[in-house]
Amino acid sequence: DTAVSQTPKYLVTQMGNDKSIKCEQNLGHDTMYWYKQDSKKFLKIMFSYNNKELIINETVPNRFSPKSPDKAHLNLHINSLELGDSAVYFCASSRLRGGTDTQYFGPGTRLTVL
Amino acid sequence: GIQVEQSPPDLILQEGANSTLRCNFSDSVNNLQWFHQNPWGQLINLFYIPSGTKQNGRLSATTVATERYSLLYISSSQTTDSGVYFCASKLVFGQGTRLTINP
Repeated sequence: DTAVSQTPKYLVTQMGNDKSIKCEQNLGHDTMYWYKQDSKKFLKIMFSYNNKELIINETVPNRFSPKSPDKAHLNLHINSLELGDSAVYFCASSRLRGGTDTQYFGPGTRLTVL
Repeated sequence: GIQVEQSPPDLILQEGANSTLRCNFSDSVNNLQWFHQNPWGQLINLFYIPSGTKQNGRLSATTVATERYSLLYISSSQTTDSGVYFCASKLVFGQGTRLTINP
């Protein structure tokens, strides 16, 4: 009955590889987000989708590409992984867009790039 | 852009104590939210509070939008309250307050 789920929970990979993180929400929300939390616990918005449409795209390297096949799913694909990509990536969802409503977070995916 | 600042950065208390965490934000239209990140990393929404006061058990929050600050009150702290507390204005997060409750 998990509201927002992410897979995998842990991801360890070598520099230069390509990897994907998947997110699903069963709350019926229209808006989904990707956040990055660095080693100092700082949380930064990366992307936001509303009804499968990209509405927020912060200054993120174009090696990161989000995809939303439907409004319940938002995946994150990362090409040519770099050491600095190591972080915890959180998916979140809300009923309304732009942080104007309660956000519900997934458990996070800890990505380690070696 | 929007700026969000939290204080104090760290707070260590004994079980049973009360605490007040502060969040200052730069935009009066703020959509302020408070979150708790527990020691296992899970982020849990505590309050969506762009203005006014809300209470949920031992926790309450007050936002004064005209003065651009919000306060989170935790009464009768328990060890399970430990973790990092974040406020967020729109989609911009503060740097967090790390709360440690000792038994």
